[in-house]
Amino acid sequence: DTAVSQTPKYLVTQMGNDKSIKCEQNLGHDTMYWYKQDSKKFLKIMFSYNNKELIINETVPNRFSPKSPDKAHLNLHINSLELGDSAVYFCASSQGAAQYFGPGTRLTVT
Amino acid sequence: AQRVTQPEKLLSVFKGAPVELKCNYSYSGSPELFWYVQYSRQRLQLLLRHISRESIKGFTADLNKGETSFHLKKPFAQEEDSAMYYCALRMGGGADGLTFGKGTHLIIQP
Repeated sequence: DTAVSQTPKYLVTQMGNDKSIKCEQNLGHDTMYWYKQDSKKFLKIMFSYNNKELIINETVPNRFSPKSPDKAHLNLHINSLELGDSAVYFCASSQGAAQYFGPGTRLTVT
Repeated sequence: AQRVTQPEKLLSVFKGAPVELKCNYSYSGSPELFWYVQYSRQRLQLLLRHISRESIKGFTADLNKGETSFHLKKPFAQEEDSAMYYCALRMGGGADGLTFGKGTHLIIQP
């Protein structure tokens, strides 16, 4: 299947831990993104990245860092997790304007 | 800064009734506008983009630059249309992410 995939689907962890969420796309797209969807279902861009530039939303804490081992992957590393980081994180990719989203990772910090 | 406003948090209509989900935007340039739909606990799916001027699942949306609006319409609602609908704006060019409205939860009553 051609798609954007994320692992894990669910992640429960304690405050202070460091965790990663993986994202892969096999659509051949040049640009990948991470979005955060909070408890009120509000979606906000965190990062956009292609092989030339990383654009960071200025409101994202530096505990969050994207890592791209190759064009098809954009992983999200989170250090020192806080309760407020609990949310659903969506990866997306695009070639041009329309973006295609992964299934989401529901992160719960206890 | 760009902004997308969806004034209705929740919209409930009866099956067979017309549906209009409102979206207004503010952006000084020429934006690209999209509607995304998120069915319960699923990924976001692209529904419409203003450039293509197409009809998907009976939905249409017209960009009105004078009113800075991109309302989503369907003449006859169906129960399977119940979902969260997000209007989104892309500034165009580069690797910019989407700016989303806060979403409208559409409920179609039988």
